[in-house]
Amino acid sequence: GESVGLHLPTLSVQEGDNSIINCAYSNSASDYFIWYKQESGKGPQFIIDIRSNMDKRQGQRVTVLLNKTVKHLSLQIAATQPGDSAVYFCARTPAGTALIFGKGTTLSVSS
Amino acid sequence: NAGVTQTPKFRILKIGQSMTLQCTQDMNHNYMYWYRQDPGMGLKLIYYSVGAGITDKGEVPNGYNVSRSTTEDFPLRLELAAPSQTSVYFCASGERHQPQHFGDGTRLSIL
Repeated sequence: GESVGLHLPTLSVQEGDNSIINCAYSNSASDYFIWYKQESGKGPQFIIDIRSNMDKRQGQRVTVLLNKTVKHLSLQIAATQPGDSAVYFCARTPAGTALIFGKGTTLSVSS
Repeated sequence: NAGVTQTPKFRILKIGQSMTLQCTQDMNHNYMYWYRQDPGMGLKLIYYSVGAGITDKGEVPNGYNVSRSTTEDFPLRLELAAPSQTSVYFCASGERHQPQHFGDGTRLSIL
């Protein structure tokens, strides 16, 4: 069946390093792929999305890469800061239906 | 703008009781969603709505009901609370099938 998953449940980095959070998906029929950040006790916060016909999209300190050949999505965070510590979810929108979330990666940033 | 507002923030129910989780948004979004998040897991879609008067089931609709009489409000009702419904519930809204704004959640315990 359809699934959206992440390779690693946790990722620990030093402040100032670049972080890469990965996600794999099993079904190709998607309109959008999205990354969310969830801080403790809060709802998910939209970070960035990418349409399925794109390979790369950049935002402020974040870049999302989509490799449709291997069905892989990644979120790169440049110069990671303590405030980036959170759980990160990838999600995708199958064509015409609502979002499917992966399980999440916990990013811990130490100073 | 307040964004997406959920009430209550916390609630404890006894098995068999009923309650309504309230959700309202002030961004005039057509799309609204209810998700539940179990500990350490991603979000699972319960119900969604693409506009006033239209609702559809998500992945885990059993035991829940929704209505969408206005663009702003999307209440979620539990008719006969069960321990398996202990979870954190998130409401979200967006301009298409990508929830962009989430509320801060309702933490529900059923004992």
